[in-house]
Amino acid sequence: GQQVMQIPQYQHVQEGEDFTTYCNSSTTLSNIQWYKQRPGGHPVFLIQLVKSGEVKKQKRLTFQFGEAKKNSSLHITATQTTDVGTYFCAGPGLRYNFNKFYFGSGTKLNVKP
Amino acid sequence: DGGITQSPKYLFRKEGQNVTLSCEQNLNHDAMYWYRQDPGQGLRLIYYSQIVNDFQKGDIAEGYSVSREKKESFPLTVTSAQKNPTAFYLCASSISSGSGSGELFFGEGSRLTVL
Repeated sequence: GQQVMQIPQYQHVQEGEDFTTYCNSSTTLSNIQWYKQRPGGHPVFLIQLVKSGEVKKQKRLTFQFGEAKKNSSLHITATQTTDVGTYFCAGPGLRYNFNKFYFGSGTKLNVKP
Repeated sequence: DGGITQSPKYLFRKEGQNVTLSCEQNLNHDAMYWYRQDPGQGLRLIYYSQIVNDFQKGDIAEGYSVSREKKESFPLTVTSAQKNPTAFYLCASSISSGSGSGELFFGEGSRLTVL
């Protein structure tokens, strides 16, 4: 079946260091979405990537969609304590089943001040 | 304000009891979803609905049931057949179109503990 794998599972960084999480799909994705979940909270949408090779930036966050549309990454430059949380990627289902989103297992980021 | 409301926020249940988690949205979204999240893990899809009076099983539907009688509402029943129901349950909704879905909007979640 369709799978979305995410690495690493955990990442501990010192404030000011960079952080990257990677997402890999077993199948080609029509698009990929990224979410952030703060401790004790619910996932909040960050961005959606649609085009092959697409790169989007949101301040210190850079999102990339692979050329083959099977992988994606989220890079945070100069982390801050407000970046703490779990980052998830999510890809839609195949064919007609676009509403069936598959979530990666998430990368939990801890930032030491 | 537009959004998704889940209730209750915390729920305790004795083994053998059915419980129903409420999810209401006023975003006028066609698609609604239920996810389960276990500690330190990702989100697993229980059920989803693309339109009123229609719903589909996700990857872990056994022991759960849903209904979608109104566009705004998508309640989830955790039945006694669910062997390990203690978890964090998240409801979400999205716009649904022929070319796919937009972003998912999540409720604040319901934390179910079986005693």
